[in-house]
Amino acid sequence: DIQMTQSPSTLSASVGDRVTITCRASQTISNWLAWYQQKPGKAPKLLISKVSNLESGVPSRFSGSRSGTEFTLTISSLQPDDFATYYCQQYNSYSRTFGQGTKVEIK
Amino acid sequence: QVQLVQSGAEVKKPGASVKVSCKASGFTFTNYGITWVRQAPGQGLEWMGWISPYNGNTNYAQKLQGRVTMTTDTSTTTAFMELTSLTSDDTAVYYCARGPSDYYMDVWGTGTTVSVSS
Repeated sequence: DIQMTQSPSTLSASVGDRVTITCRASQTISNWLAWYQQKPGKAPKLLISKVSNLESGVPSRFSGSRSGTEFTLTISSLQPDDFATYYCQQYNSYSRTFGQGTKVEIK
Repeated sequence: QVQLVQSGAEVKKPGASVKVSCKASGFTFTNYGITWVRQAPGQGLEWMGWISPYNGNTNYAQKLQGRVTMTTDTSTTTAFMELTSLTSDDTAVYYCARGPSDYYMDVWGTGTTVSVSS
């Protein structure tokens, strides 16, 4: 299976900060990567598909990018509603896999 | 509106089986795939597999092969996930989710808590 390694595992930040979360694939996955946001006790929510396609209704402060097998989710100006756990997911290989998650906490 | 409503919480003994349902509404059921994802307490997301309601094609996670069966009933627009030979490691919240084929998931179900304990 393709391994997806997210970093950091936990991130402490303040409202207004620029936040970057990285996901590295163990092999090439082309552009087949999505990002999700999950809040405690809730189902995940799709933010971005195919590296950088923002889902309808998702604020434009969220963006995604790729450099080889490294993928980045950026929140340009962290808002109170953004404190949550974020997961990447590859859908290139026959068996889909998620990253282990990055928890964004209030500093 | 588009929604996936799952069946209620389950408590099972080790060795038993569980069958979780996922009722879809608000969209054409056969135009999308249904993926199942689980999340153990305090842990991350685990992809379990996918089924196409259009033709019944499935793709299961290797670690669950032989224990998991995903089916759909297009007459009731309901998807089902059955997991057999349960152990405590199967204690988790189980989610169904809609997506374009078996790619990403754009609509998620309400979640079903399955607890396995003797």
